Amino acid sequence: GQNIDQPTEMTATEGAIVQINCTYQTSGFNGLFWYQQHAGEAPTFLSYNVLDGLEEKGRFSSFLSRSKGYSYLLLKELQMKDSASYLCAVRDQTGGSYIPTFGRGTSLIVHP
Amino acid sequence: DVKVTQSSRYLVKRTGEKVFLECVQDMDHENMFWYRQDPGLGLRLIYFSYDVKMKEKGDIPEGYSVSREKKERFSLILESASTNQTSMYLCASSGGLASSNEQFFGPGTRLTVL
Repeated sequence: GQNIDQPTEMTATEGAIVQINCTYQTSGFNGLFWYQQHAGEAPTFLSYNVLDGLEEKGRFSSFLSRSKGYSYLLLKELQMKDSASYLCAVRDQTGGSYIPTFGRGTSLIVHP
Repeated sequence: DVKVTQSSRYLVKRTGEKVFLECVQDMDHENMFWYRQDPGLGLRLIYFSYDVKMKEKGDIPEGYSVSREKKERFSLILESASTNQTSMYLCASSGGLASSNEQFFGPGTRLTVL
């Protein structure tokens, strides 16, 4: 299985930039997902990386380095509504499962 | 607008009761999943299904069973509910697994077992 690590909690100021890191260990890496989950709501998809590099989507970007087992989610021009939990999920193809495993999530608090 | 729905948002049951949690998706997805989410533990996979009548155990299947009689519906069953099954239960669905297809989640069922 995978060993996925994310910081438990982060705080940032409205308008700033924040980087949420995710490290993982897996033998058959087959993609990494980021999800956003507001309190009391369902997770929603933010990004997918399978090749090294940066994927940009508006204010959010996601980076992957497969050799380092490392990804980050970059949030720019932070808004209060970005306060949420951010979940990193890694897919492993070992055994043909292809089922993503989730990290424990990072709770981001954005303050004025 | 794609949708995954769950039968209840909140549910209160007593220890020993049989509990059914229903999930329906309207995206014609092959794959469906049941997770539980607990503070500090994140999302943990209970069971998943990649086709009608097919099921596979996830990381924490003990005390649970599932049923998938139709493609759009995936049910989670607690045969005899216990207090340690008090949790938030999330259903999800997705298209082909070995691709960029993301999971779509339902709104969750917060189950309390007394």
